[in-house]
Amino acid sequence: GDSVTQMEGPVTLSEEAFLTINCTYTATGYPSLFWYVQYPGEGLQLLLKATKADDKGSNKGFEATYRKETTSFHLEKGSVQVSDSAVYFCALGGSARQLTFGSGTQLTVLP
Amino acid sequence: NAGVTQTPKFQVLKTGQSMTLQCAQDMNHEYMSWYRQDPGMGLRLIHYSVGAGITDQGEVPNGYNVSRSTTEDFPLRLLSAAPSQTSVYFCASSYVAPSEGRNTEAFFGQGTRLTVV
Repeated sequence: GDSVTQMEGPVTLSEEAFLTINCTYTATGYPSLFWYVQYPGEGLQLLLKATKADDKGSNKGFEATYRKETTSFHLEKGSVQVSDSAVYFCALGGSARQLTFGSGTQLTVLP
Repeated sequence: NAGVTQTPKFQVLKTGQSMTLQCAQDMNHEYMSWYRQDPGMGLRLIHYSVGAGITDQGEVPNGYNVSRSTTEDFPLRLLSAAPSQTSVYFCASSYVAPSEGRNTEAFFGQGTRLTVV
């Protein structure tokens, strides 16, 4: 079945550092891929998505590219801010009736 | 556009009590689901529905019931609350794009923080 493997945290960075959170997936066919963000005390919000191979999703300075050859969708940001501190979830929308989520990565950015 | 609305936001129950967590969406989405989120455990699927009158079990269904009488509403019932059900509960809705046959993005409610004492 579908599965998502996500880089385990927690991740702690200094402000303006480069961020990468790894995400790989297993799925049949051509799934859609998502990154969600959860700020403290809130629900999950869609951060970005990509629906086909080589698509790049981007939002708020974050980017992720759908790499079918490596079955990956790594999240990157060139310069993180304190306000980016949150939990990040990679997710897959495939043939299953529900989205499949990774386990989440806690990011803390220090000033 | 309200999206997905969950009530209540906070609840404290005594062991053995029952209650219903409410979830409503106004986007006419076919799919709705309930997750629980525990520290270090990510999201775990409790129950889901692919349309009115159709529900199915997820990863952790024991102790919970659901029904889907309308497209808009998908309540989650705790039959006899236990301390192990202390968690944050999220409701989500989504749909399958007809042209793609794949599940689209999910929209989440703000969550219900439940404590069972």
